Amino acid sequence: AQSVTQPDIHITVSEGASLELRCNYSYGATPYLFWYVQSPGQGLQLLLKYFSGDTLVQGIKGFEAEFKRSQSSFNLRKPSVHWSDAAEYFCATLMDTGRRALTFGSGTRLQVQP
Amino acid sequence: DGGITQSPKYLFRKEGQNVTLSCEQNLNHDAMYWYRQDPGQGLRLIYYSQIVNDFQKGDIAEGYSVSREKKESFPLTVTSAQKNPTAFYLCASSAEIENTIYFGEGSWLTVV
Repeated sequence: AQSVTQPDIHITVSEGASLELRCNYSYGATPYLFWYVQSPGQGLQLLLKYFSGDTLVQGIKGFEAEFKRSQSSFNLRKPSVHWSDAAEYFCATLMDTGRRALTFGSGTRLQVQP
Repeated sequence: DGGITQSPKYLFRKEGQNVTLSCEQNLNHDAMYWYRQDPGQGLRLIYYSQIVNDFQKGDIAEGYSVSREKKESFPLTVTSAQKNPTAFYLCASSAEIENTIYFGEGSWLTVV
């Protein structure tokens, strides 16, 4: 069965600093990969997705993610964090066969210090 | 506006009562989903439906029921058999060709 691991439960960065959130997946083939962001008490907003092709994908709000097959990773990055980026971030995968529903990691809560 | 509407946003119920959460989408999506979110556990799949009049159990279906009589609607009933129903519930939908799942704003259910 596929699984997604986000090793960091909580990360604190200073405003203006760079950010990298880690995500590892376990799946025999290359899954579809997603990053979502959630503000407290709200639904999830899609930041970016990777299906195939260029392994560096650009998303909204200045985020990008890089797919590395050799490391089974899909880490999310942002060069300069803004206070409004404080939220919870979820990595998710979707298999292209069988059960077509997202499997989520447990999330990483980002805190931004002024 | 196009989107996914969940209602109510907040719901309080006494233990032993069934409660139904509404989810409506006007995106013409074929597939719809229900997820449950608890602190520190990410999102877990309750039920999903890829077509009208058909649905499948997810990872934590016990104590829940759904129906899919119309393409745009996928209500979730939390029954008295659900042992720990207090949680944040998220509905989602997707178009099969797009392979991308979009979420509603969620419903908070508190059972006392």
